Amino acid sequence: DSGVTQTPKHLITATGQRVTLRCSPRSGDLSVYWYQQSLDQGLQFLIQYYNGEERAKGNILERFSAQQFPDLHSELNLSSLELGDSALYFCASSPQASPGVGTQYFGPGTRLLVL
Amino acid sequence: EDKVVQSPLSLVVHEGDTVTLNCSYEVTNFRSLLWYKQEKKAPTFLFMLTSSGIEKKSGRLSSILDKKELFSILNITATQTGDSAIYLCAVEGNTGNQFYFGTGTSLTVIP
Repeated sequence: DSGVTQTPKHLITATGQRVTLRCSPRSGDLSVYWYQQSLDQGLQFLIQYYNGEERAKGNILERFSAQQFPDLHSELNLSSLELGDSALYFCASSPQASPGVGTQYFGPGTRLLVL
Repeated sequence: EDKVVQSPLSLVVHEGDTVTLNCSYEVTNFRSLLWYKQEKKAPTFLFMLTSSGIEKKSGRLSSILDKKELFSILNITATQTGDSAIYLCAVEGNTGNQFYFGTGTSLTVIP
């Protein structure tokens, strides 16, 4: 158990809908990262927040957005869902702004299925 | 284009064998390379490498980085069935704190 929690565990929804994925980082960690893992794409970095502010952006679609709240939990919002958005979404946390001086701890993931 | 390539894609070995997993990268402003083990759930951290030629070791696992040739290897000796997993390599670039993952090597260890 990494100490990172994600809810929900599984999510099934229809195309065109909007969902919110939630992540609580390890106690004391200020950075939160979001990743998408699909079978054909592997693990893709989406976005990073550090202490409430966006720090880095990866391959995140415009239909997706995220934020980190004052209590440091983070939410990833996915809208206008398409079949191709079906994937495992991981959240990871680390104490520092840049994991080059540390490491990331991954949550258990949220499995999203878009029908 | 920044990228991380892992090989082989898949590997099946018998218990007791030694395996070597490869990770090559082309990432602007390299900062660190990380290895993760992913079983059924989330990736778990194995090693972080920042300097060339310094071997990191944990039990039967070891890893080394070559920053000149832009690759890293992960060695697992005396493999056990519990080593069966997908092994992910990730490279952190210093430009915008980007993280790039390879597609992973699937290792299956059979008794």
